[in-house]
Amino acid sequence: GENVEQHPSTLSVQEGDSAVIKCTYSDSASNYFPWYKQELGKGPQLIIDIRSNVGEKKDQRIAVTLNKTAKHFSLHITETQPEDSAVYFCAATKTGNQFYFGTGTSLTVIP
Amino acid sequence: DTEVTQTPKHLVMGMTNKKSLKCEQHMGHRAMYWYKQKAKKPPELMFVYSYEKLSINESVPSRFSPECPNSSLLNLHLHALQPEDSALYLCASSQPRDLLLTDTQYFGPGTRLTVL
Repeated sequence: GENVEQHPSTLSVQEGDSAVIKCTYSDSASNYFPWYKQELGKGPQLIIDIRSNVGEKKDQRIAVTLNKTAKHFSLHITETQPEDSAVYFCAATKTGNQFYFGTGTSLTVIP
Repeated sequence: DTEVTQTPKHLVMGMTNKKSLKCEQHMGHRAMYWYKQKAKKPPELMFVYSYEKLSINESVPSRFSPECPNSSLLNLHLHALQPEDSALYLCASSQPRDLLLTDTQYFGPGTRLTVL
């Protein structure tokens, strides 16, 4: 089955700086890659996703890039704010299959 | 509206109790999921219902019993749980494309379960 690795496990940045979280996957047939943000005591919230026919997608301060050849994808958050502090999970899946989640990254934005 | 609701928000139960978790969505999604999440870990898939039929059961112990009464509702019946079953139980839904479970999953807020 699919194996998703996520790094780093913890990340601290100063407010206003950028944050980058990276995930690698093993199954070249995976074609959908969502990112979820989970705040303390809440369920995961979809923040951005990308499909395999696209190399990059942006939504305001958040962007995701996908390198199918290298089988990795990354989440980029620019101009970080304290409310960006949360645990972020990446996931990979292919048509007809379940989601495979990364192990999570705990992001702390220091005011 | 991408809202999935779950009740109760918190649940404390003894090992001999029977309780149920409830999940509801009104997005017209036809796939619904139960996940278990331990602290600082990613969600672990338990069950998947597609078009109200159980399509995936990830070798979950029989003390967990899912039910999908209709396309908007999903229940998880709990009986004779163990303390190690204490976790956040998450419900999610998605719109399967031609019975293929590949579309975006939307999660509810979860039920925090404590088994004494």
